[in-house]
Amino acid sequence: DGGITQSPKYLFRKEGQNVTLSCEQNLNHDAMYWYRQDPGQGLRLIYYSQIVNDFQKGDIAEGYSVSREKKESFPLTVTSAQKNPTAFYLCASRQGSPYSNQPQHFGDGTRLSIL
Amino acid sequence: QQQVKQSPQSLIVQKGGISIINCAYENTAFDYFPWYQQFPGKGPALLIAIRPDVSEKKEGRFTISFNKSAKQFSLHIMDSQPGDSATYFCAAILVGNQFYFGTGTSLTVIP
Repeated sequence: DGGITQSPKYLFRKEGQNVTLSCEQNLNHDAMYWYRQDPGQGLRLIYYSQIVNDFQKGDIAEGYSVSREKKESFPLTVTSAQKNPTAFYLCASRQGSPYSNQPQHFGDGTRLSIL
Repeated sequence: QQQVKQSPQSLIVQKGGISIINCAYENTAFDYFPWYQQFPGKGPALLIAIRPDVSEKKEGRFTISFNKSAKQFSLHIMDSQPGDSATYFCAAILVGNQFYFGTGTSLTVIP
């Protein structure tokens, strides 16, 4: 089955620690995205990547970093600079060029909490 | 600034009733409007989508109504069922890979 796999499902971070959230897709999609979801605020874009070795900051990129070394993978690192990391993190991917109107497909998320 | 405004924040409907969720936007350059359904602990799943040159799209019990002049679109769930209880997000897409989501509506369908 094609889809997006996020791991782990739950993650706990200690103060001053960096943690990395995994996102893998086998849909052969070009574009991948990371969103943060907080109650009552909808989805906020952290980073996105349209092609391998290229990525762009979203609305709330501070305290986060990403890499896109392979088409299938787009890991997100939550750094110690992110002071309020507790949230539900969603990875998404999309087919097509930037100029085609294709919807995003989402993984099942990672819930990050501070210890 | 919220590019897509969604209401209500929460909605309670009796089984068999009609659930209506509304969204409004300002940017007339948006050219694709999907709706997503999200169950607790899961990612959003695409439910139905519409382009601005169409006034209505129906898929089963789900219908999108689109009013281009008013810059509004809405999701109607007919014959609502307890299994429809979820959070619903509207979204708007700009050509050029920019997505904007509403803040979500928590729907509860009571038996």
